[in-house]
Amino acid sequence: GNSVTQMEGPVTLSEEAFLTINCTYTATGYPSLFWYVQYPGEGLQLLLKATKADDKGSNKGFEATYRKETTSFHLEKGSVQVSDSAVYFCALSEGNQFYFGTGTSLTVIP
Amino acid sequence: KAGVTQTPRYLIKTRGQQVTLSCSPISGHRSVSWYQQTPGQGLQFLFEYFSETQRNKGNFPGRFSGRQFSNSRSEMNVSTLELGDSALYLCASRVAPNEQFFGPGTRLTVL
Repeated sequence: GNSVTQMEGPVTLSEEAFLTINCTYTATGYPSLFWYVQYPGEGLQLLLKATKADDKGSNKGFEATYRKETTSFHLEKGSVQVSDSAVYFCALSEGNQFYFGTGTSLTVIP
Repeated sequence: KAGVTQTPRYLIKTRGQQVTLSCSPISGHRSVSWYQQTPGQGLQFLFEYFSETQRNKGNFPGRFSGRQFSNSRSEMNVSTLELGDSALYLCASRVAPNEQFFGPGTRLTVL
C-alpha cells in the first residue's frame, strides 16, 4: 500500500544553517507529493508540491525534487531562519487517498 | 476565496459528554477530511466525506462519527468522551487529486 516515511526529529539548527529533511514514499502508481508546514497553534499550510517525476517544488526558499528512481522528496533550504521553526509534514496523494508522514519538528536557534 | 473554517476553535468538555465540531470547506470543494492530532500519535486520519458519503475511514472507534451536508459542510461527533480524546481536530478540503487545504483546527480538552 501507499505510505510516507520521513526522518525522525526533532531537528535543531543554528540560524543560516543548511536544512535537509528526508522523505521517502511508497506508492502503487504516480502520486503527487507535498510538503506542509505547521506553526505552533495553527493548522497545516501547504509549503510546496510536485505532481510528476523530476518536478521541483519551491516556496519561501524551500525546495524539494520529485525523484521517482529513489522514491524520495527531500525538503531543503539553504539558510534557515528562526521563523522557520515549525513542524514539517511530507505527504502524497494518489487518486482519492492522501497520506502523511509523522512530521519533523525543526527548531532554529539564533 | 475564503479558506476552510472550523468552529468552535476551542472547546472544554468533561468525560462522558459528547461534542460536535463543524467544518466549512472552501467553496467548490466537495471532499472534506478530518484528522486528529496529538503529541503522542501525531496526525491520524479519521474519515473523509465526498458528496455526503463517507468515502474513507481511519482506524477509530465507533464513538467517532461524521456527516456531510448538501452544501459540503461537515460535522464530526464524538460521543462518550474520554480523556484521550483531547486533541487538535483538523479539517481539510480538496479537489482530488490536488492538495488538501486545512482549517485552523478545533482544540478539544476533555477534563
